[in-house]
Amino acid sequence: QITLKESGPPLVRPTQTLTLTCAFSGFSLTANGVAVGWIRQPPGKALEWLALIYWNGHQSYSSSLKSRLTITKDTSKNQVVLTMTNMDPVDTGTYYCLHRPDGSTWFDSWGQGTLVTVSS
Amino acid sequence: QSALTQPASVSGSPGQSITISCTGTSSDVGSYDFVSWYQQHSGKAPKLIIYEVGKRPSGVSNRFSGSKSGNTASLTISGLQAEDEADYYCCSYAGSSTFVFGTGTKVTVL
Repeated sequence: QITLKESGPPLVRPTQTLTLTCAFSGFSLTANGVAVGWIRQPPGKALEWLALIYWNGHQSYSSSLKSRLTITKDTSKNQVVLTMTNMDPVDTGTYYCLHRPDGSTWFDSWGQGTLVTVSS
Repeated sequence: QSALTQPASVSGSPGQSITISCTGTSSDVGSYDFVSWYQQHSGKAPKLIIYEVGKRPSGVSNRFSGSKSGNTASLTISGLQAEDEADYYCCSYAGSSTFVFGTGTKVTVL
């Protein structure tokens, strides 16, 4: 059974850097083709794809946020970390971690999400 | 990577069928048969209900079906039930290992 759980600060000040951790179990990020990613959802608004990191270390990012995002993995800890710099109130929302099965183009398992509020 | 366009809301009576459209471009929906659909109940994480345009994961009701024509994908819910009331999002592969989601559709069961 695949599980993912997001953790991070519930409140971030404007201009600060957000660091979110996804702890997962039930699969290995060293398995060929597997990827873990992040998606966010502002309150009452749509989902927005942010980033993916693949089993081989390859990273992909949303073109509109690429300059602010970094995704890394620690396979020994079964964790993926997303950092987002220069946070703004418009970045307020629920951030979800998700699993992409090997070689696929869909996301079959999601974390419960973590709400991040950006406010001074 | 502009969001895929979905109608803001769709409604139907129990037992009816409804269809949600998802319009992209020739760079995403039109170029790949890699459209997936997610159902999100209020306050919950999204759940995969359709992948690769029209395939259903194990355990998903066969009342959900998907299709694609050109730059537009569609999700049809047949035999609408109260439990289908939720938000629905399409997602397309957009090349270069990137993805784009739709604007979301709120389904109301009258």
